Amino acid sequence: GDSVTQMEGPVTLSEEAFLTINCTYTATGYPSPFWYVQYPGEGLQLLLKATKADDKGSNKGFEATYRKETTSFHLEKGSVQVSDSAVYFCALGDSGYALNFGKGTSLLVTP
Amino acid sequence: EAGVAQSPRYKIIEKRQSVAFWCNPISGHATLYWYQQILGQGPKLLIQFQNNGVVDDSQLPKDRFSAERLKGVDSTLKIQPAKLEDSAVYLCASSLGLEREAFFGQGTRLTVV
Repeated sequence: GDSVTQMEGPVTLSEEAFLTINCTYTATGYPSPFWYVQYPGEGLQLLLKATKADDKGSNKGFEATYRKETTSFHLEKGSVQVSDSAVYFCALGDSGYALNFGKGTSLLVTP
Repeated sequence: EAGVAQSPRYKIIEKRQSVAFWCNPISGHATLYWYQQILGQGPKLLIQFQNNGVVDDSQLPKDRFSAERLKGVDSTLKIQPAKLEDSAVYLCASSLGLEREAFFGQGTRLTVV
């Protein structure tokens, strides 16, 4: 079945540093990748998504490009803020079935 | 637009007791999901409904877990009897249809002692 692998955390960065969180997957069919974010004490929120190869999803300064050749959907942000501290989940959707999530990567941004 | 509502937010029970969680999805959303999120892990699907029919319950431990979605709106998830390893956050999510973008509730944190 489909599986999602994302880099383990925690990741600790200083404010304004560059962020990359790697996500790779294995899948049959034609999956769509997502990034969800979970802020402390809150529910999961969709951060960004892609629907076809080479699509770039972007939101709140975060970007991720869907690379079918490398089956990857790495999350990047050029300059992180303290308010970006959260847990980030890579997920895969396939043909109308429920999302398959990675284990999550905890990010702590220090002033 | 109101989000996905779940209750209770927190629940502590002893092992072998029973517990039920309730979910009210976003109005008009036909697809409803229950996920289990154990501490330090990503959410794992327990069951997926399309209206009031089950699409996928392959990972639901049916000897102790049950779920229903009467009238295709609200849903309840029940555990009976609970085990220590059921301690987790139970997340409900909904989407407009068999699509990929799901909206999540805040979850119910269950502690089994």
